[in-house]
Amino acid sequence: KNEVEQSPQNLTAQEGEFITINCSYSVGISALHWLQQHPGGGIVSLFMLSSGKKKHGRLIATINIQEKHSSLHITASHPRDSAVYICAVRSSGTASKLTFGTGTRLQVTL
Amino acid sequence: NAGVTQTPKFQVLKTGQSMTLQCAQDMNHEYMSWYRQDPGMGLRLIHYSVGAGITDQGEVPNGYNVSRSTTEDFPLRLLSAAPSQTSVYFCASGYRDTSYEQYFGPGTRLTVT
Repeated sequence: KNEVEQSPQNLTAQEGEFITINCSYSVGISALHWLQQHPGGGIVSLFMLSSGKKKHGRLIATINIQEKHSSLHITASHPRDSAVYICAVRSSGTASKLTFGTGTRLQVTL
Repeated sequence: NAGVTQTPKFQVLKTGQSMTLQCAQDMNHEYMSWYRQDPGMGLRLIHYSVGAGITDQGEVPNGYNVSRSTTEDFPLRLLSAAPSQTSVYFCASGYRDTSYEQYFGPGTRLTVT
């Protein structure tokens, strides 16, 4: 079993839909990252969370440390949101190592 | 700022050849790392550095060497390329450790024949 599991693996949505991507992990963590990988391959950091909730524009990330679960929400989705979304965790006591999920491929259509 | 730069963008090697993937950052970040990305798998850590003169192994270090002689540069050396090293390689940097935002380079697509 992977330390970091994402669901769904693939997601197709129509423009304007509310999207949720889930990340579950099995180890104690001190930080969780959400990343976006564009179709061209570049990787961009969206959020770094250790508790609670963060919002940036139409993106919202939440984390529940007790349940070992995080969600990334996209409100009013747009075709430019089409990308792979990756969850990564920093395990407690391993300051220099991130463990990555395999990503959720999102396609937003008109 | 250029951010994190990687060269080359694409490379084809024959089995047994050696080469160096270059990575540089101009943000004065202490932490730098190399990952490989393979289909169906998450990014995996090859080597990392928490500062000039300090390097350590990640989860898949075999066949790769690194050095960190300056804060800015963190090259990855393939000593004797193997087809199993065909992958996309990403360099990343951040302040101190992975509890801070990570900045990724554009990637190098390597094919070993």
